[in-house]
Amino acid sequence: GESVGLHLPTLSVQEGDNSIINCAYSNSASDYFIWYKQESGKGPQFIIDIRSNMDKRQGQRVTVLLNKTVKHLSLQIAATQPGDSAVYFCADPPLDGATNKLIFGTGTLLAVQP
Amino acid sequence: DTEVTQTPKHLVMGMTNKKSLKCEQHMGHRAMYWYKQKAKKPPELMFVYSYEKLSINESVPSRFSPECPNSSLLNLHLHALQPEDSALYLCASSQDSGGGKNIQYFGAGTRLSVL
Repeated sequence: GESVGLHLPTLSVQEGDNSIINCAYSNSASDYFIWYKQESGKGPQFIIDIRSNMDKRQGQRVTVLLNKTVKHLSLQIAATQPGDSAVYFCADPPLDGATNKLIFGTGTLLAVQP
Repeated sequence: DTEVTQTPKHLVMGMTNKKSLKCEQHMGHRAMYWYKQKAKKPPELMFVYSYEKLSINESVPSRFSPECPNSSLLNLHLHALQPEDSALYLCASSQDSGGGKNIQYFGAGTRLSVL
């Protein structure tokens, strides 16, 4: 079946370092992915998305890389700040165009150490 | 403005109580969603409303009853809940419910405790 999962449940980084959060997916036909950030006590917040016709997409301090060969994507955060501490989910909207049923990955907790 | 507002923020109820969760958005979105999230787990879809009609019910027990009075409002009526229903209930909205690039925007959630 279709699933989206993460390699690392917890990632601890020093403030100012770069962070890399990984996500694996199983459906080779998946063509669109979204990253959400969920801070403590808040709902998930959209960060960045990427279509399968791209290998890389950059936002403000964030970059998402997509490797379709190994069905893997990653979220890179440059110069990690304390405000980046949160759980990060990758999500995989369906392809059929009929429904917008998000499938969330397990989530990675990013802990930024001062 | 990408704001989805949920009330109340916290709710404690007994197993015999009836309560309602409310969600509101003014982005002109025509799809609205209810998710349930247990601690340290990803959100799980419960219901999808598209153009004010229920389009998806993920086999949710009947003690949860959704309602969409208009395109801006979404309610979740609760009755005879069980302690295991304690969770964070999240509301989201998107432009419509079609697949593809249709980003869902989430509210802060209602933290529900069932005693």
